[in-house]
Amino acid sequence: GAVVSQHPSWVICKSGTSVKIECRSLDFQATTMFWYRQFPKQSLMLMATSNEGSKATYEQGVEKDKFLINHASLTLSTLTVTSAHPEDSSFYICSAKGHLSSYEQYFGPGTRLTVT
Amino acid sequence: QKEVEQDPGPLSVPEGAIVSLNCTYSNSAFQYFMWYRQYSRKGPELLMYTYSSGNKEDGRFTAQVDKSSKYISLFIRDSQPSDSATYLCAKFSGGYNKLIFGAGTRLAVHP
Repeated sequence: GAVVSQHPSWVICKSGTSVKIECRSLDFQATTMFWYRQFPKQSLMLMATSNEGSKATYEQGVEKDKFLINHASLTLSTLTVTSAHPEDSSFYICSAKGHLSSYEQYFGPGTRLTVT
Repeated sequence: QKEVEQDPGPLSVPEGAIVSLNCTYSNSAFQYFMWYRQYSRKGPELLMYTYSSGNKEDGRFTAQVDKSSKYISLFIRDSQPSDSATYLCAKFSGGYNKLIFGAGTRLAVHP
């Protein structure tokens, strides 16, 4: 149980375009979802936290107009990178937790974004 | 000072060795301490967690927290090549929604 999927697993886009990444909880209802970013050989950095039906809470330094997060249902959250630039190239990972867990997050497999 | 400090390694050991992975932390609130394992180009998976102080054992893995020295350790006994991965320690900050990760230690276990 507690499986989280992401789609796509990798994406290449041109500079200036937007790209959407989906995160789904497959076998539980995710009341809270999280989006992380990981640069090569670096650790995960939390970008934002979203609760179903509410606006996302962004971490300091993360541009909310550039990284649009939508958590419209208890099983789906999306991250849209708008007007992507090469410096946005990174590994984006989502995680989710259900209402039964106060602390345990389940991570997706990640999405590798390359902006050319 | 970072809330969680972890030596990124890399650490290379022969198969069968005992591996010790360590982190230090600076904020004692929210006493769950987590260890995640991340294979290359994959998301992290929860390996173990401990609550407050003491030891927790699961098969070949032992997690240890020393609150007096603010030290978190993960021990791997009889290490296997399949244990080769990056190991990340993590703790909560400001609530149970914000996980702060260490830099991750890359471990290579060679046959």
